[in-house]
Amino acid sequence: NAGVTQTPKFQVLKTGQSMTLQCAQDMNHEYMSWYRQDPGMGLRLIHYSVGAGITDQGEVPNGYNVSRSTTEDFPLRLLSAAPSQTSVYFCASSYSKGRMETQYFGPGTRLLVL
Amino acid sequence: AQSVSQHNHHVILSEAASLELGCNYSYGGTVNLFWYVQYPGQHLQLLLKYFSGDPLVKGIKGFEAEFIKSKFSFNLRKPSVQWSDTAEYFCAVNAGGANNLFFGTGTRLTVIP
Repeated sequence: NAGVTQTPKFQVLKTGQSMTLQCAQDMNHEYMSWYRQDPGMGLRLIHYSVGAGITDQGEVPNGYNVSRSTTEDFPLRLLSAAPSQTSVYFCASSYSKGRMETQYFGPGTRLLVL
Repeated sequence: AQSVSQHNHHVILSEAASLELGCNYSYGGTVNLFWYVQYPGQHLQLLLKYFSGDPLVKGIKGFEAEFIKSKFSFNLRKPSVQWSDTAEYFCAVNAGGANNLFFGTGTRLTVIP
């Protein structure tokens, strides 16, 4: 299994540009989530999904959209990038939405918005 | 709202020294507690987790953590650190619906050979 994969690894955007961060998992996990990691702030939840067709907001959802059309993929869209969205983005998944489940993280995407 | 505090931002130890990293959370109900580790250039991976039962939890690579409910704490310990333990350590709490984690700000551990 490849586990959780993310593309791209690095991206530079100009303010106002849009882009999609890709996340895929091959473990047939029901639950998937996106976090952003900023210095001195740890990881914060952006959006999550408990199954195909079901998404919900986390702590910091503004400026981001998600969809979950398949079990495997959970893309994160930035509609109009802002410098405040410069961060490292991690996708994670777990077998189910149960609170005891271990989350498996992807390698991250470093995003710089100029 | 839930919050997680990690008071040590950067800890520097020599090899064979003992380690204790603090983690406190604010939530009055039932919590699930986790420690994740991020080695340089690698993914976050689970060190250990607590759900119920014995408050002393053992994880991988010789790490353990103790849940003290009265202190809202879940401190991470290791009796003797190695250079390979150099990493960033995150405490996390799951106290709500689904599997949403609230992370602390992380503690960077540097172990000097």
